[in-house]
Amino acid sequence: EDKVVQSPLSLVVHEGDTVTLNCSYEVTNFRSLLWYKQEKKAPTFLFMLTSSGIEKKSGRLSSILDKKELFSILNITATQTGDSAVYLCAPLTLTQGGSEKLVFGKGTKLTVNP
Amino acid sequence: GAGVSQSPSNKVTEKGKDVELRCDPISGHTALYWYRQRLGQGLEFLIYFQGNSAPDKSGLPSDRFSAERTGESVSTLTIQRTQQEDSAVYLCASSLGGRVAGYNEQFFGPGTRLTVL
Repeated sequence: EDKVVQSPLSLVVHEGDTVTLNCSYEVTNFRSLLWYKQEKKAPTFLFMLTSSGIEKKSGRLSSILDKKELFSILNITATQTGDSAVYLCAPLTLTQGGSEKLVFGKGTKLTVNP
Repeated sequence: GAGVSQSPSNKVTEKGKDVELRCDPISGHTALYWYRQRLGQGLEFLIYFQGNSAPDKSGLPSDRFSAERTGESVSTLTIQRTQQEDSAVYLCASSLGGRVAGYNEQFFGPGTRLTVL
């Protein structure tokens, strides 16, 4: 059975702090790994990682994938209150039927206090 | 609108009743997904539609759950004889799709919050 574990489940920091969110996975037919930010209901896309060791960066956010260790991290530097959200990790897998399916972790709830 | 829309945004129903949730994907998106998110949990895949191909129903939790999609447009998720454990946010997503190598980003709708009393 596909398994995605995110840690920590919850994190409270002060503005300006740097945080690292972790995601480990065990899935069949792995294709890539995606990170989403969920503030209210609809998750919004952050990154898609396909290759190991290549860091993707967007402003203060960056992420990297280790396909050997089945692990990814999401870093946020100089956090702001607007970064408060649940961050979801989702490996993309290929089903037996040939369709692509995201397998989501439970998420890390980040709270950034002023 | 340009995004994925869902209706209703909130639905409160009594145990045993049937409910129907609607999703309007982004125009031109051939792939459509339904997910369920229980309180404090991650998103749980339910069903996937790709064009006119047979849907992937592998995530549906029981035969009380069914979904339909007409062509590449609107989809409805139906839950029959609702139970309290069905209470969750039901999210729909769409993407350009296509069973080819590579991936098309999934765009999520705002979800429907279902509460079964």
